Amino acid sequence: EVQLVESGGRLVQPGGSLRLSCAVSGFTFSGFWMTWVRQAPGKGLEWVANIKPDGSETLYLDSVKGRFTVSRDNAKNSLYLQMNSLRAEDTGVYYCARLLGTESTFDYWGQGALVTVSS
Amino acid sequence: DIHLTQSPSFLSAAVGDRITITCRASQDIRNCLAWYQQKPGKAPKLLIHSASTLQSGVPSRFSGSGSGTEFTLTLSSLQPEDFATYYCQHRHSYPLSFGGGTEVDIK
Repeated sequence: EVQLVESGGRLVQPGGSLRLSCAVSGFTFSGFWMTWVRQAPGKGLEWVANIKPDGSETLYLDSVKGRFTVSRDNAKNSLYLQMNSLRAEDTGVYYCARLLGTESTFDYWGQGALVTVSS
Repeated sequence: DIHLTQSPSFLSAAVGDRITITCRASQDIRNCLAWYQQKPGKAPKLLIHSASTLQSGVPSRFSGSGSGTEFTLTLSSLQPEDFATYYCQHRHSYPLSFGGGTEVDIK
């Protein structure tokens, strides 16, 4: 059974940093692109970042470029999102998800981790 | 950047109804579109990819069509478990983006 479990979400002050983790099981993690998608409270979905299976390529939403870094450890079956210089508008539930083959379509999702940026 | 506009934003329907949700892209995205269902407090679930391909395990009452700039998601006979919010998403180019969502509520 495919499982993705996010952790690390919490309350953080504006300008602060946070690292989210996503532990995966049930599939060959090193063979898949992965993504982070977020959802502000009561709002729609917003793509944040993608990472290639070997970690050699990453892509970001413009508003997080230079502040967020997506990475992975294939030996630990884990995906990460390092978030720096956090802003109030970064508040929301952050989901990790697997890409469907080479398509940027997301076929398996975690349950989400809540990040709240507030003083 | 490609912008996706969903309509309607809100839809009230009864069990057994046939409903259609539309997603319009700001430029030609060929068939690079997916549909997701999200229930409150839960992660989205992939329903359809490549505009019309039903994801494994998704009931056949869901169908997708369209190409270019106009796409539709159709539920042929609404079931109680289908009341949720539906999102379209394009994969044509970066940045990827989602439509604003369509909330389907019980009439």
